[in-house]
Amino acid sequence: DAGVTQSPTHLIKTRGQQVTLRCSPKSGHDTVSWYQQALGQGPQFIFQYYEEEERQRGNFPDRFSGHQFPNYSSELNVNALLLGDSALYLCASSLLRGGEQFFGPGTRLTVL
Amino acid sequence: AQKITQTQPGMFVQEKEAVTLDCTYDTSDQSYGLFWYKQPSSGEMIFLIYQGSYDEQNATEGRYSLNFQKARKSANLVISASQLGDSAMYFCAMRAPDRGSTLGRLYFGRGTQLTVWP
Repeated sequence: DAGVTQSPTHLIKTRGQQVTLRCSPKSGHDTVSWYQQALGQGPQFIFQYYEEEERQRGNFPDRFSGHQFPNYSSELNVNALLLGDSALYLCASSLLRGGEQFFGPGTRLTVL
Repeated sequence: AQKITQTQPGMFVQEKEAVTLDCTYDTSDQSYGLFWYKQPSSGEMIFLIYQGSYDEQNATEGRYSLNFQKARKSANLVISASQLGDSAMYFCAMRAPDRGSTLGRLYFGRGTQLTVWP
């Protein structure tokens, strides 16, 4: 049973560029959340998707957007990249009815 | 507001000994879930254990147990028989609400760096 998968593993971009990160949830999970983890910090919530809709959003600008597909997989898009967007981006999946919440291995984004 | 507090920036334990990592939380929700995650230097956030607020018994998963004291709002992680591979950052997190039409986001503490020595 595959867990949460994310791609790519690492990514290097320059300021002003756009990036798309991808996530496939654990089999059977219907809810996907994205988190940003800066170096030395705990993860910060970006947004959550369920039934292809954004259900909750953290304190992140509109440059951060996402999508959930019918197969529950999800994308995170970041436009107009800033140096401060350099971080580990984590995807987590769970069931809406609660219980365990699993994370993927993360995508490490570096903005130069 | 939801809040998680981990007051131990670092902990040291000798191999094969037990160690307790502290976590206190604050929420006004009646339905909430408490999580512990392990994050090694590779960065992956590894799920260890989950405790629902309505669960009457403390959660256990192998060498991990969660000491849930609801009245004190604490959810300490106990690792028995520590191993060298347990050296990592450990995060306590809370999700509120924990079920229903809206599943809450995870709120994380600042983490505790655990070092296991031979």
